[in-house]
Amino acid sequence: AQSVSQHNHHVILSEAASLELGCNYSYGGTVNLFWYVQYPGQHLQLLLKYFSGDPLVKGIKGFEAEFIKSKFSFNLRKPSVQWSDTAEYFCAVTLTGNTPLVFGKGTRLSVIA
Amino acid sequence: DAEITQSPRHKITETGRQVTLACHQTWNHNNMFWYRQDLGHGLRLIHYSYGVHDTNKGEVSDGYSVSRSNTEDLPLTLESAASSQTSVYFCASSENTDTQYFGPGTRLTVL
Repeated sequence: AQSVSQHNHHVILSEAASLELGCNYSYGGTVNLFWYVQYPGQHLQLLLKYFSGDPLVKGIKGFEAEFIKSKFSFNLRKPSVQWSDTAEYFCAVTLTGNTPLVFGKGTRLSVIA
Repeated sequence: DAEITQSPRHKITETGRQVTLACHQTWNHNNMFWYRQDLGHGLRLIHYSYGVHDTNKGEVSDGYSVSRSNTEDLPLTLESAASSQTSVYFCASSENTDTQYFGPGTRLTVL
């Protein structure tokens, strides 16, 4: 079965530090890839998505992600985090052809001053 | 503006009772989904629907049911609530494999 792995359960960073959150998926076919963010007490919101084209995808709030097909990876990056980036981040994958999303278990990011 | 709403936002119930959680979307999306979110498990898919009268089981469907009688609504029913079903439940909708839009969630406690 298709699965998504997020290697970091909890990441703690100081403000202005750079961020990279790992995401790997198990399916070898054509996939659509997403990063969602959940701020404390809120619902999930889309950060960015990749369907095709340029493998470097830019999203909201200065986030970007790079799709590396050979590594089955879609890592999330941000050059300089802010306290307001404190949230839980979920990677998700769906096969093309209208299939449900499969989510990773999430990475909790805590940004300290 | 289009939106997706869930009700109630908080619910406390007793073991064995039937509970229905409502989900309503005004995006006119064909696809609707129910997830539960638990610490250490992320989001797990319970049931989903690709259109009116279509329902499908997800990863953790035991003890839950859904029905889709119109485009806008996908109610989730817990037939006989169990303490293991204490969780936060999220509904989502999408058009095909595009972005899923999530509701605000329902926090359910089963005593």
